[in-house]
Amino acid sequence: EAGVTQSPTHLIKTRGQQATLRCSPISGHTSVYWYQQALGLGLQFLLWYDEGEERNRGNFPPRFSGRQFPNYSSELNVNALELEDSALYLCASSSTGLAGVTGQFFGPGTRLTVL
Amino acid sequence: AQSVTQLDSHVSVSEGTPVLLRCNYSSSYSPSLFWYVQHPNKGLQLLLKYTSAATLVKGINGFEAEFKKSETSFHLTKPSAHMSDAAEYFCVVREDTGYSTLTFGKGTMLLVSP
Repeated sequence: EAGVTQSPTHLIKTRGQQATLRCSPISGHTSVYWYQQALGLGLQFLLWYDEGEERNRGNFPPRFSGRQFPNYSSELNVNALELEDSALYLCASSSTGLAGVTGQFFGPGTRLTVL
Repeated sequence: AQSVTQLDSHVSVSEGTPVLLRCNYSSSYSPSLFWYVQHPNKGLQLLLKYTSAATLVKGINGFEAEFKKSETSFHLTKPSAHMSDAAEYFCVVREDTGYSTLTFGKGTMLLVSP
């Protein structure tokens, strides 16, 4: 069974640009979660999508946004990039409503570097 | 509200000696608790989970954790460390209510020396 996949592996942008990160969940999973892992800040929850809707949002500005497609894959968009957005962005998936029971399954991440 | 505190940012052990990674949590509701491991340049892997069943939870690679409600702790242990255990470990809490999400601790780096 294929795990969670993310693309691209690495992304280099300059300040002010926009970045788009993509995630495909495990087959059968309908919930997708996004996390930011920045140096010294640990893993911080960004967004949670389930059945195409945003269910919860972390403490991030509106320039962090995303969506979930009918096939349950997801996209994270970061507008007006700032240097401090440089981080590893992790995507995770779970079956709907079962994240507390089964846990979330993580992809390998996208390393975003903002110059 | 939920939170989790990993008491050590780094733990160093010798190969073959026991491992103890400490975690305390805070939760207003009945929590689910997890330990994840992250090897260098890899994603996060679920080690084990507690979801209100047995308080002693066994996970992969010989790790186990004990849920102690009175102490609000969920420490991770392994009887004998292996070199391949060197990685960063995250304690995670989730309140079982509504659209609650996972809250991660800041991580403990486990260093294993020969």
